[in-house]
Amino acid sequence: GQQVMQIPQYQHVQEGEDFTTYCNSSTTLSNIQWYKQRPGGHPVFLIQLVKSGEVKKQKRLTFQFGEAKKNSSLHITATQTTDVGTYFCAGGTGFQKLVFGTGTRLLVSP
Amino acid sequence: DGGITQSPKYLFRKEGQNVTLSCEQNLNHDAMYWYRQDPGQGLRLIYYSQIVNDFQKGDIAEGYSVSREKKESFPLTVTSAQKNPTAFYLCASRSSGVDKNIQYFGAGTRLSVL
Repeated sequence: GQQVMQIPQYQHVQEGEDFTTYCNSSTTLSNIQWYKQRPGGHPVFLIQLVKSGEVKKQKRLTFQFGEAKKNSSLHITATQTTDVGTYFCAGGTGFQKLVFGTGTRLLVSP
Repeated sequence: DGGITQSPKYLFRKEGQNVTLSCEQNLNHDAMYWYRQDPGQGLRLIYYSQIVNDFQKGDIAEGYSVSREKKESFPLTVTSAQKNPTAFYLCASRSSGVDKNIQYFGAGTRLSVL
């Protein structure tokens, strides 16, 4: 079945450093979404990418969708302590369901 | 997030017991989902429903059952056949409007075995 892997599993940075998580699917995706889950919380939608090669920005967050629509990345510039949490990508091959990645847990030290 | 209510927040199951987790949404969404999350892991799909009175198995349906008698409600029963039920259970719904495919999650239910 379809699998979505993320690397790294865990990253610990100092506040102000950059952070990147990568997402790779075993199959071509129609879209990819990113969610953030704060410790003890539930996933919250961040963004959806649909087009090949698409790049979207949200303040310090930059999201990319690969040309082959099988990989994606999330880059955070100058991390802040409020960025702490686990970031999940989720790939869709249609609109019915998503396959969530394994997640990258980010810890930011002040 | 907002509009999806899961209860209870914490639940304890005795061995051999069936327990039911509640999920209610007031977002008027057609599709609803149940996921299981184990510590340090991603979300795995248990069951999903695209419309009332219809549902499909996800990747880990064994030991679970669901019903969808009303659009607003999608309860999950963890049966005694599920031998390792301790996990964080998340319910989600999906919009069919302009922001279709975005899933909105409830706050979750943490299930433990006594």
